Amino acid sequence: EVQLVESGGGLVQPGGSLRLSCAASGFSVTTNSMNWVRQAPGQGLEWVSLIDTSGNSYYADSVKGRFTISRDTSKSTVDLQLNSLSPEDTAVYYCARGPEVGSYFDYWGQGILVTVSS
Amino acid sequence: SDVLIQPPSVSVAPRQTARIPCGGFNSGTKSVHWYQQKPGQAPVLVVFDDNGRPSGIPDRFSASNSGNTATLTISRVEAGDEADYFCLVWDSSSDQFVFGSGTTVTVL
Repeated sequence: EVQLVESGGGLVQPGGSLRLSCAASGFSVTTNSMNWVRQAPGQGLEWVSLIDTSGNSYYADSVKGRFTISRDTSKSTVDLQLNSLSPEDTAVYYCARGPEVGSYFDYWGQGILVTVSS
Repeated sequence: SDVLIQPPSVSVAPRQTARIPCGGFNSGTKSVHWYQQKPGQAPVLVVFDDNGRPSGIPDRFSASNSGNTATLTISRVEAGDEADYFCLVWDSSSDQFVFGSGTTVTVL
């Protein structure tokens, strides 16, 4: 059974950093692209980042230079390092699997809340 | 990059048909995917690659993609279809995914 479980969220001050992790089970993170998607309170979905099967990373313009996606194949995890956070980054962050780059997301985690506030 | 526009809301009576447009593509050849999201839950894929339907999704959900607009159609609407719906495309010109602005479907 495919499962995605996010962790690492919480409250952080503006300008601070946080590291989110997505634990994957039931499939290999090396044969699927992995994505992070966020949703600000009461707002729509926003794609954040993607790491493909070759380890190449892609980012939304809104987070480029501040967020970094990575994966640990031995632990079957995909992490998202969030730096230089602002209140506009407050959102529920979802991990989602995609069969390949540019393809749909077929499985999602339950989401983890990140709150940026002083 | 693309900016995908959806109407904020669509209201439909039970057993009628709801149509949700997603417009603003730069190219009509892009594959469009559709998600349903209920309050407090993660999104669920209801249509992929323009008109594919994942296992477990009723055939009341269908979609089309022509020109620069894609449309999700929900036939014989049920109360349980009340949710937010989002379209999603991959913008190959910027190597980024883009979500539509989202549409809230209300069953009257």
